[in-house]
Amino acid sequence: DVKVTQSSRYLVKRTGEKVFLECVQDMDHENMFWYRQDPGLGLRLIYFSYDVKMKEKGDIPEGYSVSREKKERFSLILESASTNQTSMYLCASMPGQLNTEAFFGQGTRLTVV
Amino acid sequence: AQTVTQSQPEMSVQEAETVTLSCTYDTSESDYYLFWYKQPPSRQMILVIRQEAYKQQNATENRFSVNFQKAAKSFSLKISDSQLGDAAMYFCAYRPTVSGGGADGLTFGKGTHLIIQP
Repeated sequence: DVKVTQSSRYLVKRTGEKVFLECVQDMDHENMFWYRQDPGLGLRLIYFSYDVKMKEKGDIPEGYSVSREKKERFSLILESASTNQTSMYLCASMPGQLNTEAFFGQGTRLTVV
Repeated sequence: AQTVTQSQPEMSVQEAETVTLSCTYDTSESDYYLFWYKQPPSRQMILVIRQEAYKQQNATENRFSVNFQKAAKSFSLKISDSQLGDAAMYFCAYRPTVSGGGADGLTFGKGTHLIIQP
């Protein structure tokens, strides 16, 4: 059974802290993604990676960075957390084949105070 | 850039009735994939159904079916015999076909909150 695991379901951080959100997939997928989900806005793509050490900006990359040192792990980094980054963060992975869907983690609800 | 529009922020249906969720999209591509995802209160995104643009036949998965109108760029989801467990956020998503390096993720609509009335 496919599995995408996010390290935390809930996280509370202070403004200005450096925050790491971790995502691990066990399906040997090439592509991994970080989305942000806000009410009324749907899911918006922050960053994605199609290979180890490769990364591409999505639609809303400002204030975020990512790291992919190993194929199975994709980390989202908030360099200096701000209150407007309070949100739900979803990690997803997809294989390289075109006719497949994305598989999602269970989400991390981040609150920045 | 591709866009996906779900014009119904919220829908309500009686248990056992049929409901249709709307989705339109904008793309200049001729080949792509469309998806409906369900997100229950547990927050886990679950694939409901998938449609490949080059296939004219509408996809069906048990009580879930789609009405795919490629020329109109419309991709609606019909849920028959609604059940309490169908209550969730439903997201329509688009994925382009790609070749070579780089991989575009899914582009999502803003979602429709489906309420099932017992």
